[in-house]
Amino acid sequence: EDQVTQSPEALRLQEGESSSLNCSYTVSGLRGLFWYRQDPGKGPEFLFTLYSAGEEKEKERLKATLTKKESFLHITAPKPEDSATYLCAVRAFTGGGNKLTFGTGTQLKVEL
Amino acid sequence: DGGITQSPKYLFRKEGQNVTLSCEQNLNHDAMYWYRQDPGQGLRLIYYSQIVNDFQKGDIAEGYSVSREKKESFPLTVTSAQKNPTAFYLCASSWETANTYNEQFFGPGTRLTVL
Repeated sequence: EDQVTQSPEALRLQEGESSSLNCSYTVSGLRGLFWYRQDPGKGPEFLFTLYSAGEEKEKERLKATLTKKESFLHITAPKPEDSATYLCAVRAFTGGGNKLTFGTGTQLKVEL
Repeated sequence: DGGITQSPKYLFRKEGQNVTLSCEQNLNHDAMYWYRQDPGQGLRLIYYSQIVNDFQKGDIAEGYSVSREKKESFPLTVTSAQKNPTAFYLCASSWETANTYNEQFFGPGTRLTVL
């Protein structure tokens, strides 16, 4: 069974204090790892897709990296507007449909 | 603007009632999905459809039903058989192409509360 574990569950940072969020996964044949941002009461917003170990993608203050067992979302010099829940999901080769398995998320709070 | 719309934003249901949640997309995506989100749990797949007039059960389909009569629309009915329907419901869509695994884009969600 595919599993995704995100840590920490919650993270509080001061503005400008860089950190990383972790997403560990166990799947039978990874076909994509996805990062989303979700604000309270809203739908998830797509951030990145990573397909193979060693791949990296960047967007503003965010950088996502991928190894064979985990992915990291690095946040450099965060601002209060980066406060949100960050979700990780994996797509495994199950032979039927574009099904994603989601982690429970990391709730990030960036304070002034 | 291209995107996914869900309605209503808030929905209240009495015990024993069936309710239908709307999901429409104008992204010309082939595949559409319904997820349920509960506090402290990851999103869980209810149903998905890769093509018009065809759909498959996800991990938690019991007590739910769907239809896919048009490419743009994928309504979800929460029936009285769903014992714990209070949750945040999310609709998503994606391109469906052979041998590629594309990101899913989400709508704004519907919060369903059972009174």
